Amino acid sequence: GAVVSQHPSWVICKSGTSVKIECRSLDFQATTMFWYRQFPKQSLMLMATSNEGSKATYEQGVEKDKFLINHASLTLSTLTVTSAHPEDSSFYICSAAPGGAPNYGYTFGSGTRLTVV
Amino acid sequence: GDSVTQMEGPVTLSEEAFLTINCTYTATGYPSLFWYVQYPGEGLQLLLKATKADDKGSNKGFEATYRKETTSFHLEKGSVQVSDSAVYFCALGAGGSQGNLIFGKGTKLSVKP
Repeated sequence: GAVVSQHPSWVICKSGTSVKIECRSLDFQATTMFWYRQFPKQSLMLMATSNEGSKATYEQGVEKDKFLINHASLTLSTLTVTSAHPEDSSFYICSAAPGGAPNYGYTFGSGTRLTVV
Repeated sequence: GDSVTQMEGPVTLSEEAFLTINCTYTATGYPSLFWYVQYPGEGLQLLLKATKADDKGSNKGFEATYRKETTSFHLEKGSVQVSDSAVYFCALGAGGSQGNLIFGKGTKLSVKP
């Protein structure tokens, strides 16, 4: 079945540094990928929609200069948390729809646990 | 806008008990509906889905029926196991060929031996 690989699965970084998270579709092409953020014991909140070859679409309240998204190919989207601070500590998850349509369901990466110290 | 309302947990059951997790939605049009499961420390896995009214999604003993008249998609399982302990999310497809998912808040299920 369709697989989305997310890397790293966890990362600890110092405050003020930047962290890059990769999301790859392994056996399908994804013109669109989604980045979610999940706080402890809470639901997933959409951060942005990543579009191959064009700018990402950010949800209201998400700082585009802080959460840089690059979707340079049909199989790779990256999320860079710039100048990370402890409040950015969270679980970040990417997803894509293998069939290109919601009806076929979405496949999620295994998530990245970011801890900023 | 579109939204999903899911019963709050946590839900604690004994093994072999019957499970129901309620989910209702508000949406324009006819969205696809999904249940996802998240095991501790992991990402989300699709549990089941339904793409139109009266469709029943099923997987691993779990079932949910797309009820347009009540705008509901309740998750049920006749006999839960300890291994079913996880967080369950109801979600709807926000529309369009590349629409994102809108999630409920999640319901944590704990099954005791």
